Amino acid sequence: QSVLTQPPSASGTPGQRVTISCSGSSSNIGYNTVNWYQQLPGTAPKLLIYSNYQRPSGVPDRFSGSRSGTSASLAISGLQSEDEADYYCAAWDDSLKRPVFGGGTKLTVL
Amino acid sequence: QVQLQQWGAGLLKPSETLSLTCAVYGGSFSGYYWTWIRQPPGKGLDWIGEINYSGSTNYNPSLKSRVTISVDTSKNHFSLKLNSVTAADTAVYYCARAYTVGASKNVFDVWGQGTVVTVSS
Repeated sequence: QSVLTQPPSASGTPGQRVTISCSGSSSNIGYNTVNWYQQLPGTAPKLLIYSNYQRPSGVPDRFSGSRSGTSASLAISGLQSEDEADYYCAAWDDSLKRPVFGGGTKLTVL
Repeated sequence: QVQLQQWGAGLLKPSETLSLTCAVYGGSFSGYYWTWIRQPPGKGLDWIGEINYSGSTNYNPSLKSRVTISVDTSKNHFSLKLNSVTAADTAVYYCARAYTVGASKNVFDVWGQGTVVTVSS
């Protein structure tokens, strides 16, 4: 059981915009920033978004993040086949005193 | 750019000790926390613990009694030991670099390739 809650799956067709939600509580997302990771099949996770909406160098601006209250979202616009991957949200948890992750969302490009 | 390369035994019997090492190439070893994260088959990510250049550690409370993370600054290596393993410890284990930017803690920006660890009798 993951501390942060994500939908197990999401899908879209090429060119579409999809969003993935991440729900937490006041001890994590409510007072701390959210990071997102992309995990392509058979590879290590890759940092996609940090500090709620910042993109590391090299991440396309098709990827965007937001946070509101105790929830966060990852949006992917202009969906491409190479975006098919698992996506994880993460945040520091003040009660558990450690970083926590969502259970992951498997994105399928139809 | 910074690269992490990890290695260690991939097949263990119950009650044995898991031992993995991660080498840091191409960047500064100080100024960051060096982290271990695992991913059970078909499941999400689970933070194990971290260590910094000076040897200060933080551990996941659920694993704290069995985990030791150490650092060898002369080699830019850090290591994970998890004792008394069971089948529940079967997972892909990743090393990662963690940094803090502004109010954002534990941003994992560089990852090792992962090591599959299976615990089976």
